[in-house]
Amino acid sequence: GENVEQHPSTLSVQEGDSAVIKCTYSDSASNYFPWYKQELGKGPQLIIDIRSNVGEKKDQRIAVTLNKTAKHFSLHITETQPEDSAVYFCAALDTGRRALTFGSGTRLQVQP
Amino acid sequence: DTGVSQDPRHKITKRGQNVTFRCDPISEHNRLYWYRQTLGQGPEFLTYFQNEAQLEKSRLLSDRFSAERPKGSFSTLEIQRTEQGDSAMYLCASSLSLGGYGYTFGSGTRLTVV
Repeated sequence: GENVEQHPSTLSVQEGDSAVIKCTYSDSASNYFPWYKQELGKGPQLIIDIRSNVGEKKDQRIAVTLNKTAKHFSLHITETQPEDSAVYFCAALDTGRRALTFGSGTRLQVQP
Repeated sequence: DTGVSQDPRHKITKRGQNVTFRCDPISEHNRLYWYRQTLGQGPEFLTYFQNEAQLEKSRLLSDRFSAERPKGSFSTLEIQRTEQGDSAMYLCASSLSLGGYGYTFGSGTRLTVV
């Protein structure tokens, strides 16, 4: 089955700085890599995703990059704001089960 | 239909009791997933349904856990003879078929076993 490693586990940045979260995956057949944001007491919310046929995708201040050869993908948040503070999870689609396998999460704190 | 709905939001139960949680997916989504999330960890896959068929249940944590989706709409997750280690957030998600892309999660049911 798929295994997803995520780091760092915590990240503190100053407002306006950039934040980068990195993940690696094990199943070379995985072809879908979403990122979720989870706020306290809520379920994870999809913020951006990428499929294996592209190397980068951007949506306003958020971008995701994928390196299939190295089996890693990253989330980039630019011009961070206090409301970006949350826990972020990467995930990869387990091709066998057709279900997502999640990383262990990164707690992002944006200091005003 | 504004999203995935889970009920109850919180459940406190005594060890040994049975509990049942309900999930109502987005109406046009035919795939439904159950995940468990413990403190400080990512969601852990338990089982999923495509319509009423349970296609994967090998990750259910023990035979005390069971899930149903009788008419391909809402789903229930039951835990029998609860243990303190079952305390966690139980999340439901739904998606359209053909790959499981674009999960939408509910807000979860937080279970506390005392």
